[in-house]
Amino acid sequence: EIVMTQSPATLSVSPGERATLSCRASQSVSSNLAWYQQKPGQAPRLLIYGASTRATGIPARFSGSGSGTEFTLTISSLQSEDFAVYYCQQYNNWWTFGQGTKVEIK
Amino acid sequence: QVQLQESGPGLVKPSETLSLTCAVSGYSISSGYYWGWIRQPPGKGLEWIGSIYHSGSTYYNPSLKSRVTISVDTSKNQFSLKLSSVTAADTAVYYCARQEGGYSPWWFDPWGQGTLVTVSS
Repeated sequence: EIVMTQSPATLSVSPGERATLSCRASQSVSSNLAWYQQKPGQAPRLLIYGASTRATGIPARFSGSGSGTEFTLTISSLQSEDFAVYYCQQYNNWWTFGQGTKVEIK
Repeated sequence: QVQLQESGPGLVKPSETLSLTCAVSGYSISSGYYWGWIRQPPGKGLEWIGSIYHSGSTYYNPSLKSRVTISVDTSKNQFSLKLSSVTAADTAVYYCARQEGGYSPWWFDPWGQGTLVTVSS
């Protein structure tokens, strides 16, 4: 099983600042990686697939990068609606999720 | 636009079988895509349970494989999850989702709203 490790567990950021979230795979997943956003009481929402392609309707302030074992989700200027938990998910070899990064208001 | 809605009992007794259905609207399951189940224990992360292709091919999480059955009913445009011999560790919010894919499933989009299933006597 490919283990996905996200860091940090919690990220405290002020509105308008940049947030950088990391996701590491225990073995290469090529570019077969997705990112999701989950707000309290809601289902996850797809943000990024293919490591760097934004899903339909996702604002340009969200960007993904990386390949192999190291991936990054960047939120260029945090808006109030972006405070949430973010998960990465690999689909290269079965399907596994990271444990999540909570982005909270500083 | 495609929408998914989970339904089923919110309370299941230990050792019994959890049964959930995901009704799909706005898209015909028989037209394609994969369809998956994911769960999230309270306050924890996401765990993939299994997926099914519209033709009936299935993929199960190896850690749950002996207890999981996923099936599709194209006539009702829905797919279902059965998880047998449940314990308190199976208490979670259960989500269904559509999966984009090629020769195998890929990412999950969109998701249903989720349904909480509690295992307790």
